[in-house]
This record gives sequence, structure tokens and C-alpha cells, in this order.
Amino acid sequence: GAGVSQSPSNKVTEKGKDVELRCDPISGHTALYWYRQSLGQGLEFLIYFQGNSAPDKSGLPSDRFSAERTGGSVSTLTIQRTQQEDSAVYLCASSFDRGVNNEQFFGPGTRLTVL
Amino acid sequence: SQKIEQNSEALNIQEGKTATLTCNYTNYSPAYLQWYRQDPGRGPVFLLLIRENEKEKRKERLKVTFDTTLKQSLFHITASQPADSATYLCTWGGSGNTGKLIFGQGTTLQVKP
Repeated sequence: GAGVSQSPSNKVTEKGKDVELRCDPISGHTALYWYRQSLGQGLEFLIYFQGNSAPDKSGLPSDRFSAERTGGSVSTLTIQRTQQEDSAVYLCASSFDRGVNNEQFFGPGTRLTVL
Repeated sequence: SQKIEQNSEALNIQEGKTATLTCNYTNYSPAYLQWYRQDPGRGPVFLLLIRENEKEKRKERLKVTFDTTLKQSLFHITASQPADSATYLCTWGGSGNTGKLIFGQGTTLQVKP
């Protein structure tokens, strides 16, 4: 693919519902990252995947948040029992490998609105 | 805690002038810093990476400096154009070598024709 894609682009849900956000990274990129950008806030790291494993989940804000990655490719971020404070833009990024020298390629994001 | 701080106020300049954006960090010594550009409704796009042993790095009209004594990076856009209007994000890779990025809040640049 040409770049990182995310779906849906927009999601409106009711408080208490579960949502799934999808990320398709650039083919061949082993590292995948999820970030969250709330209104007026900077980007906040959520979770990092290397292949299918997640060695760093330190940014997940609560146990309502989980993510998985299958086949070393597609990743899904799941938020259970959504709350209004979960409203934000969720961004996915991939890079050829982890580490300091690798630029990250970001998707366009999913804008989540919890009513 | 480890923090990256950018001037949250918008920077407004006239076309053709040089824009200078500031990034300050505290309580750690990053081995490198990265700068990204973000347009409204889009994800950030990588611009430049500068390592702690590099005082300056250039790419076309962009220049980044890294002063480990002042704990500061400066990002310059020379001969600025209205198309340069965007939010510019300073980041570092955090600890642990996972590559996860810690971002500043970004500085919005508006270049007026």
C-alpha cells in the first residue's frame, strides 16, 4: 500500500458501547504504534507492537483499552465501555523497525466521538 | 518527569521571512530529536532527525539545531511560504529503545502572504 491506512475515519458512539479501530501499516514495517490526540493536547503514546507482540503497553490509559496485531500486519485497537473522555483522534504509525533512527509514518487517524 | 515543551502560542509571520520554532526539554538527555509537520485532519509527517552529536542539520529550506547545554532545539524555515502553514511537532524517542515518540504540544505556524 501507499501508506498507513486507518478505518473508520470517523466514529460516533454512545457512552458504554465498545468500538474497534483498525490500522493497516505499510507493508514490511515491523514496528507499529498507536497514539491518541485529544483536543488541545499533544500526541500521547498508547502501545507499541514489534511483529505481533506488544512489548510496551505502558500508555494504555485503562484496562478498557486493548490492542492486537495479527500476521505482523493489521492492528486493531479496542475500547470497551467507552466514556466521553475517550473522545479523541486515534493515530496509528508504522516504521521499518523500532529504534531511534526510524521515522514513523502516520495514518490519517480515526476521530472518535463518544456521546 | 521527562517533558518536551514547545511554545503553544501560534507563530504568525510574513511570507519570505524566517520562522523559528523552539523546543525545550527537561529532566533527561535525549540522544536525538525529531521534527514532524501536521496539517489539520491529517497525521504527522516526518521532517528531520538530529542526533545529540550533531549541532545542526539542514534539508532544503529547513534547518534544525540541537544545543545540549541549553537543552533546546530550534527549527528554522527560511524564505517561508503560505504552504508552510501547519503545526510543527518536536519529539524524542523516550527511553527503552522501542522507538515510541514523546511529543511536545506543537507550535502552529501561520505564514501570511
